[in-house]
This record gives sequence, C-alpha cells and structure tokens, in this order.
Amino acid sequence: KAGVTQTPRYLIKTRGQQVTLSCSPISGHRSVSWYQQTPGQGLQFLFEYFSETQRNKGNFPGRFSGRQFSNSRSEMNVSTLELGDSALYLCASSPRMEREQYFGPGTRLTVT
Amino acid sequence: LAKTTQPISMDSYEGQEVNITCSHNNIATNDYITWYQQFPSQGPRFIIQGYKTKVTNEVASLFIPADRKSSTLSLPRVSLSDTAVYYCLVGVGEKLTFGTGTRLTIIP
Repeated sequence: KAGVTQTPRYLIKTRGQQVTLSCSPISGHRSVSWYQQTPGQGLQFLFEYFSETQRNKGNFPGRFSGRQFSNSRSEMNVSTLELGDSALYLCASSPRMEREQYFGPGTRLTVT
Repeated sequence: LAKTTQPISMDSYEGQEVNITCSHNNIATNDYITWYQQFPSQGPRFIIQGYKTKVTNEVASLFIPADRKSSTLSLPRVSLSDTAVYYCLVGVGEKLTFGTGTRLTIIP
C-alpha cells in the first residue's frame, strides 16, 4: 500500500504571498491531520479532517486553513505568509479518528 | 491539555534494552498514548499505541501503570538504526500534544 504523499516537497515563498500544500492519504484512510514542525516549537497540531469536515483545530491564526475532498485528499492554505511560517508541514492520515497516524515526508516551506 | 514530559536525550549501547519514560499527569479518560519515531528530515513513524497495562508489537513494548500518568516505551536490543527522536503523544483532536521528544543515540 502506498504511503502518505505530500506535494511539493520543497517550497520557497516571499512574505505576504500565499501557499497551498497538498496531501494524499493512504488508500482507505478517511482522517487527515496537519502539523507544523519548527526547531523552536516542535510538532504542533494544525487541524484534522474527517469525511470532508474539519473535526478539530489547533491554536493557529485564521491565516491557516484547510479542506478535504471527497476522495480524502487534503489541502492546507497559508495566506499572507510571515517569516515565522517557515517550517516543515506534515500531513498524517489515519483509518479512523483518534488512533494511530501515518505521516508523510512533509513539505519544507521557506519564507523569505 | 495533556502536556507530556520526556527526557531530552539518552545514550545507549547496541544490543541493550532501552526504556524511555513519558509523564502525562493530566491525561484524560479517553486519551490514548502513542509513540512515534522520527529521523531527520522525515515525518514521524508510528511505533506503538496503548490505553492501559501493556502492549507489545514486533518492534516495541509499551507499559502503562494503572493511574496512566506515565508510560514507558521499551525497545529491545537496539541497533545503530534506532538512533532517532522519540515522541510520546497523548490526547485526541485539538488536545493533541507532541512533547519535546527524546533524542536517543545508540553507541556502537
């Protein structure tokens, strides 16, 4: 079974721009979660989607948003990028909510 | 909010058993305890998950005392490839909290 895939793997953006990251979960997994990882803050939960609905949200500003499609693929969007948004963004899928998650390789976003 | 506390780092020799303990004093009744392994520039990899007592799979064991305020990940006979950061995760949904992780270094 193919693992979680994320695109793009690397991205460089300028302050003020917006960015969209994509995640394809493991086949059959309906729950997709997003995390931000930085050296200073570690792994922080962004949000979780299940059956196209956002079920849980972490403590991030409204500039961070996401959605899930009927095929369980998910996208997250960050608008008005700030230098502090530079991070590794990880997507994880799960066969059901609240259980073990399988992570993708991440998208490394650099904001200049 | 279930905050976790783990040792920042640990060293061990190849072939030994390694035990990493995680404290989670505010764990909620419905919270599972999950451990992940992460190598540099990769996403975390699921190791094991449990709710109470002991869980064992092909790579590790997880020990959870009756009060569930802590848990111990046990890695039998570690090898150099086990050098990584290990995270203890407690909670669900918006309460998901990854601790700072434990950087495990295996010495040949």
